[in-house]
Amino acid sequence: KNQVEQSPQSLIILEGKNCTLQCNYTVSPFSNLRWYKQDTGRGPVSLTIMTFSENTKSNGRYTATLDADTKQSSLHITASQLSDSASYICVVRGANQAGTALIFGKGTTLSVSS
Amino acid sequence: DAGVIQSPRHEVTEMGQEVTLRCKPISGHNSLFWYRQTMMRGLELLIYFNNNVPIDDSGMPEDRFSAKMPNASFSTLKIQPSEPRDSAVYFCASTPTGGSYEQYFGPGTRLTVT
Repeated sequence: KNQVEQSPQSLIILEGKNCTLQCNYTVSPFSNLRWYKQDTGRGPVSLTIMTFSENTKSNGRYTATLDADTKQSSLHITASQLSDSASYICVVRGANQAGTALIFGKGTTLSVSS
Repeated sequence: DAGVIQSPRHEVTEMGQEVTLRCKPISGHNSLFWYRQTMMRGLELLIYFNNNVPIDDSGMPEDRFSAKMPNASFSTLKIQPSEPRDSAVYFCASTPTGGSYEQYFGPGTRLTVT
């Protein structure tokens, strides 16, 4: 069964600290993996998209890594800010072209405190 | 660009009533997705349109749900009759092609069925 598991479920860190969020998936065949940031009360916004051949991709203080062999991805946030408080969702797309090939994780809720 | 527009932003209705959610995708995008988000299940894809044609509606929970896209700039998701378990946030997203590109989410409609 195609699944996407994220950990931890929630995380609290102090402003300025780094953190890493994990995403493990069993989706096969694999097309791409996306990380979204969802602020409370708003729709998800894309942070990164990685295909099978990409190992790392950065977007400012956000760096995503992908190991397609072990089916693992991580999202590293550097020098966290209060505005990073949000839910981070990992989404994996299977290699077929149907829209339902998108498999969503349940997200990690990050709280950054001062 | 105004982004994906959804209306209403909040809807409170009584069980048994008909509910219609509306979405205007980003101009020029030819794929549109309807999602439902709950705390328990996270984001779930309900239905996906490409060039106004429903491609996959296997995520639609039951016959009480229906979606239409009469033209490239408008889509509706209808629930009739509504039930308390339909309470969730419903998101619409659009993308330039059928799932290969980044999805742009609307702000969502928070539906409460009492």
